[in-house]
Amino acid sequence: DQQVKQNSPSLSVQEGRISILNCDYTNSMFDYFLWYKKYPAEGPTFLISISSIKDKNEDGRFTVFLNKSAKHLSLHIVPSQPGDSAVYFCAASDSGATNKLIFGTGTLLAVQP
Amino acid sequence: KAGVTQTPRYLIKTRGQQVTLSCSPISGHRSVSWYQQTPGQGLQFLFEYFSETQRNKGNFPGRFSGRQFSNSRSEMNVSTLELGDSALYLCASSPRGVGIEQYFGPGTRLTVT
Repeated sequence: DQQVKQNSPSLSVQEGRISILNCDYTNSMFDYFLWYKKYPAEGPTFLISISSIKDKNEDGRFTVFLNKSAKHLSLHIVPSQPGDSAVYFCAASDSGATNKLIFGTGTLLAVQP
Repeated sequence: KAGVTQTPRYLIKTRGQQVTLSCSPISGHRSVSWYQQTPGQGLQFLFEYFSETQRNKGNFPGRFSGRQFSNSRSEMNVSTLELGDSALYLCASSPRGVGIEQYFGPGTRLTVT
């Protein structure tokens, strides 16, 4: 049972344009969501997070939007840069008792110069 | 501040052997979690330790075990290795109790032949 889903395995965007990565979840107990960026043979790098009490969180070029009623979150990268090319994972947590993260399957972002 | 470190970075073992992987969290972080990444299953939670106690465990067989020491360093052990245990094993540490972003190490690439 995939509780966190990233339905787009890959996304290609032109440099300078907006990248939008999407994530859906099924477990209504999730109350904390995170986005990670990962290069091959490296560990995931934390990008941005959002608590379920908010619907938007912004950090520089990265903005995460949360739509609780639709159980959907998205990561916007503006403007996209070639160095943003990587696999992006969304993750969710039921933060009440543990730091266990449930990860989506990832979206490979390619930013074309 | 130094990041999460994992040793060794690469390991080749034979079926039936056992292996121990080590993780040193970021200084001051008390929560350490372990994840397995494989191409087919993505990133899957193994277990989490907080103040030397296992706080949560994922859906893995008993061959996978771990522990945490008083200095928050953690080890995971896999006994009776199987070919399917070949994966990238990632350790993550977290600064506080729950619901907070985790910071990943570079991982240990385990190959079982």
